[in-house]
Amino acid sequence: NAGVTQTPKFRILKIGQSMTLQCTQDMNHNYMYWYRQDPGMGLKLIYYSVGAGITDKGEVPNGYNVSRSTTEDFPLRLELAAPSQTSVYFCASSYSGTSRYEQYFGPGTRLTVT
Amino acid sequence: RKEVEQDPGPFNVPEGATVAFNCTYSNSASQSFFWYRQDCRKEPKLLMSVYSSGNEDGRFTAQLNRASQYISLLIRDSKLSDSATYLCVVNMHGSGNTGKLIFGQGTTLQVKP
Repeated sequence: NAGVTQTPKFRILKIGQSMTLQCTQDMNHNYMYWYRQDPGMGLKLIYYSVGAGITDKGEVPNGYNVSRSTTEDFPLRLELAAPSQTSVYFCASSYSGTSRYEQYFGPGTRLTVT
Repeated sequence: RKEVEQDPGPFNVPEGATVAFNCTYSNSASQSFFWYRQDCRKEPKLLMSVYSSGNEDGRFTAQLNRASQYISLLIRDSKLSDSATYLCVVNMHGSGNTGKLIFGQGTTLQVKP
């Protein structure tokens, strides 16, 4: 049971480039989330999904897109990368069946945009 | 007022000390409460859930005071390996917020030899 996995671990992008951050979970969790964490700051929710085919915006969605075609996968797409998107990106998942929604995180992707 | 507030610290304590962190939350309708631990440049990891009756896991004790809307974490006999940032986490409430958690900014603990 690998939990939540993310790829790549590190990436450097040039301004204007695009990329997809991959996230997969094998816990059969129905909820999935994307956060960003800037140095010395807290977590900010970018997008989340309550199940396959359903996504919604979080606190900071501008510049990002998501899709959820399967229960396991929740990729985050960055279009036209900007220096302000330099951050650590964490994917997380939770299960609604417990009614507590404790979240389990992947190891993160460290992205630098120059 | 922030939805979840924590003293950022840092708390510098010697090994073996007892240290307590507090956290306040603004939404009285919140139902789920957690403490997460985050090591430098790593992902947050669930440390423990917090229940109304209070709960203990080894050297860690969590308490919830719904009337005053605060949560506490007590660490006894601190170890060097306890050095980390501790995040207070509360669920959001209301239509459209199911499943969303609010993460505090964290309290940094540094345990010294």
